[in-house]
Amino acid sequence: AQRVTQPEKLLSVFKGAPVELKCNYSYSGSPELFWYVQYSRQRLQLLLRHISRESIKGFTADLNKGETSFHLKKPFAQEEDSAMYYCALRVYNQGGKLIFGQGTELSVKP
Amino acid sequence: ETGVTQSPTHLIKTRGQQVTLRCSSQSGHNTVSWYQQALGQGPQFIFQYYREEENGRGNFPPRFSGLQFPNYSSELNVNALELDDSALYLCASSGGVGTQAEQYFGPGTRLTVT
Repeated sequence: AQRVTQPEKLLSVFKGAPVELKCNYSYSGSPELFWYVQYSRQRLQLLLRHISRESIKGFTADLNKGETSFHLKKPFAQEEDSAMYYCALRVYNQGGKLIFGQGTELSVKP
Repeated sequence: ETGVTQSPTHLIKTRGQQVTLRCSSQSGHNTVSWYQQALGQGPQFIFQYYREEENGRGNFPPRFSGLQFPNYSSELNVNALELDDSALYLCASSGGVGTQAEQYFGPGTRLTVT
């Protein structure tokens, strides 16, 4: 079965602390994974994708096929990072649909 | 460049009624995907349209149907509304269906079924 799991609904950290948002997936094919972010009163937007292997706003995510994980990390959280974060898996059938996790709300306190 | 727009913003309907939601894709995009996002959940894929043809469908009953027009805008129709259809409906457009096609999301339509 194709599935994305984000075990934490809420993650609360203080400014300057490291952040790790967990994502695990289940997929029999070669996975293509994404992190999407939704800031308050804004639309869902792409943060990063694993094939780009880039750092966006200080966030990075490494695909670990052995552990079927794609955790999102940032060494020093900022208050403006507070948002909903969704991990998503693209599957190649059914039009390349995205399968989303339930989301993790990140709250960065001053 | 115009982003993805959706209308209406909010909608209240009664159980058993029918509803039509609309999406205008981003300029230059020929693919539209629709997602349902229930409260506290991640978006769930409903279906996708590519060049006016349905190109994939998730686990939603036939009372969820759609259209894509020659200008690549799209409609989502839901018949015989049920209380569980209450959700945020998102549309996303992309420039194709390949692995390089990033999906750009609209602001969503909030549907409440009473």
